[in-house]
Amino acid sequence: DTGVSQNPRHKITKRGQNVTFRCDPISEHNRLYWYRQTLGQGPEFLTYFQNEAQLEKSRLLSDRFSAERPKGSFSTLEIQRTEQGDSAMYLCASSSGQLEYFGPGTRLTVT
Amino acid sequence: AQTVTQSQPEMSVQEAETVTLSCTYDTSENNYYLFWYKQPPSRQMILVIRQEAYKQQNATENRFSVNFQKAAKSFSLKISDSQLGDTAMYFCAFPGRGSQGNLIFGKGTKLSVKP
Repeated sequence: DTGVSQNPRHKITKRGQNVTFRCDPISEHNRLYWYRQTLGQGPEFLTYFQNEAQLEKSRLLSDRFSAERPKGSFSTLEIQRTEQGDSAMYLCASSSGQLEYFGPGTRLTVT
Repeated sequence: AQTVTQSQPEMSVQEAETVTLSCTYDTSENNYYLFWYKQPPSRQMILVIRQEAYKQQNATENRFSVNFQKAAKSFSLKISDSQLGDTAMYFCAFPGRGSQGNLIFGKGTKLSVKP
């Protein structure tokens, strides 16, 4: 068990650019979640996968956001035409039951 | 709407003393889990303790214990014999209605343990 990993750990981008983050869950976990955490706030749910199927999306997930989990293993979160308001920590978590295990997050700064 | 409220944005405690962090929540569900997560500075979030709502007995994990009051929808975390390594943000959380586990978090309490 190597834990949940996320890459990159930090990303600085200019407004209007596209960015993509990757999450590698714990290998036997079939559920994968994306959250966004802004400064001074708790994480907010974005979307959830069970295996390769995206089963739930938050209203926070605008049309500029897309997530995939093509083979039910790793997942990617892409943000198109980034805006300054997208600056946040993006957290990935995985589970096989009730417990969610979080990755270290990707901190996005949009300048 | 399902909500989680942590009314203490910041708290501090002397090393070796006891501190209690409060959390209230609102849900119409009957069976659910409640969680406390810890997020140390610049480090990833880890689970501290969880409580199953149908269990009356309060959960305990070493120095961490909860006071779960289901009728009052209260779920406080008690940290005994506080250590410097307990300095972190603490988040109360529970699964959203009808969800497959995605968590609703409070805004967190920043705990500082002072030597």
